[in-house]
Amino acid sequence: DTEVTQTPKHLVMGMTNKKSLKCEQHMGHRAMYWYKQKAKKPPELMFVYSYEKLSINESVPSRFSPECPNSSLLNLHLHALQPEDSALYLCASGLVAQYFGPGTRLTVL
Amino acid sequence: GNSVTQMEGPVTLSEEAFLTINCTYTATGYPSLFWYVQYPGEGLQLLLKATKADDKGSNKGFEATYRKETTSFHLEKGSVQVSDSAVYFCALSAPTGANSKLTFGKGITLSVRP
Repeated sequence: DTEVTQTPKHLVMGMTNKKSLKCEQHMGHRAMYWYKQKAKKPPELMFVYSYEKLSINESVPSRFSPECPNSSLLNLHLHALQPEDSALYLCASGLVAQYFGPGTRLTVL
Repeated sequence: GNSVTQMEGPVTLSEEAFLTINCTYTATGYPSLFWYVQYPGEGLQLLLKATKADDKGSNKGFEATYRKETTSFHLEKGSVQVSDSAVYFCALSAPTGANSKLTFGKGITLSVRP
């Protein structure tokens, strides 16, 4: 199984809402990543988890809160987002090569 | 720091044409190199990879060779299809212990017309 899954596929939220994005992989990878991608741009790294511990936070605002409940799951909790946070959020796993999920298309109203 | 430079796009080709997308990199040490493809409305798919100099990655008719002397990893395909229309990202990976950081090029949009 070489797949990374993400839910939901689409999400629309208001600026006062709290929502979560979920990511799951069963490839045995011990490194997992969150990226943000704007239209026509490459993905931008947000967070890296290694062995279920946060190892890199690329100065992401605190309204984004990552969580790694176990070695297969990665969550991204969202609170009080801004319209400029609307983007495609991608999860990935792997060490040398990273394998990406299909993404969650987030719209903040 | 590490960087990846891709040729400017977009690129439009007719079906069965030859494709070359240029990619050069700057990195310390010995990075691994990748091509990712992103179809409309989807996430990134790993297309091919090369982990050391002179390695050739290949997949779905696409090929790229890791050239350390020219710091390049150009993507080629002998005969493109309409279904190859997508955005292509060149990337390098610099492992940092138990994880890695990908450095992406800007991406190039390929459109193939029938």
